[in-house]
Amino acid sequence: EDKVVQSPLSLVVHEGDTVTLNCSYEVTNFRSLLWYKQEKKAPTFLFMLTSSGIEKKSGRLSSILDKKELFSILNITATQTGDSAVYLCAVGKYNTDKLIFGTGTRLQVFP
Amino acid sequence: EAGVTQSPTHLIKTRGQQATLRCSPISGHTSVYWYQQALGLGLQFLLWYDEGEERNRGNFPPRFSGRQFPNYSSELNVNALELEDSALYLCASSFGSLDYNEQFFGPGTRLTVL
Repeated sequence: EDKVVQSPLSLVVHEGDTVTLNCSYEVTNFRSLLWYKQEKKAPTFLFMLTSSGIEKKSGRLSSILDKKELFSILNITATQTGDSAVYLCAVGKYNTDKLIFGTGTRLQVFP
Repeated sequence: EAGVTQSPTHLIKTRGQQATLRCSPISGHTSVYWYQQALGLGLQFLLWYDEGEERNRGNFPPRFSGRQFPNYSSELNVNALELEDSALYLCASSFGSLDYNEQFFGPGTRLTVL
């Protein structure tokens, strides 16, 4: 059965800290791994990763995929209170547009 | 560019009733996906529609059904509502190509079953 596991479940940090969120997966016909940020309702897209070892960056956020060890990490440097959210990892498969989501990591950043 | 829209924002029903949720995809997107996010759980895939047809279905009972209209908007119907159907229902859309997984989400409909 396809599985996406995120860790930690919850993280509390102070502004300025750097955090690393983990996502591991066991999925047949893997095609891509996606990261979303969910603050109130709609998850907003952050990154899509398809190739191992190529880092994607957007401002203070970066992410990398390891297709051999079947995991991805999302790094956030110099965290701000606005980074507080649930970060969702999802895996896309070939031959279907269905995404398989992990349960998310809840990040709380305090001033 | 307008994003994915969903209506209503909130819906309160009682057990046994039927609920209808609506979604309009981003212009140009042909695929619509429905997800259920129950409290404390991750997003669970419900249904995928592309070009008016149901392409895939998650592990949900037949009480959950839907359709996609010629303008690519979609409806999710939940019959014989049960208390555990209370959740946030998210709709997402994409270009629908099997080469492209990026999905954009709407704000969701919060369904409460009393």
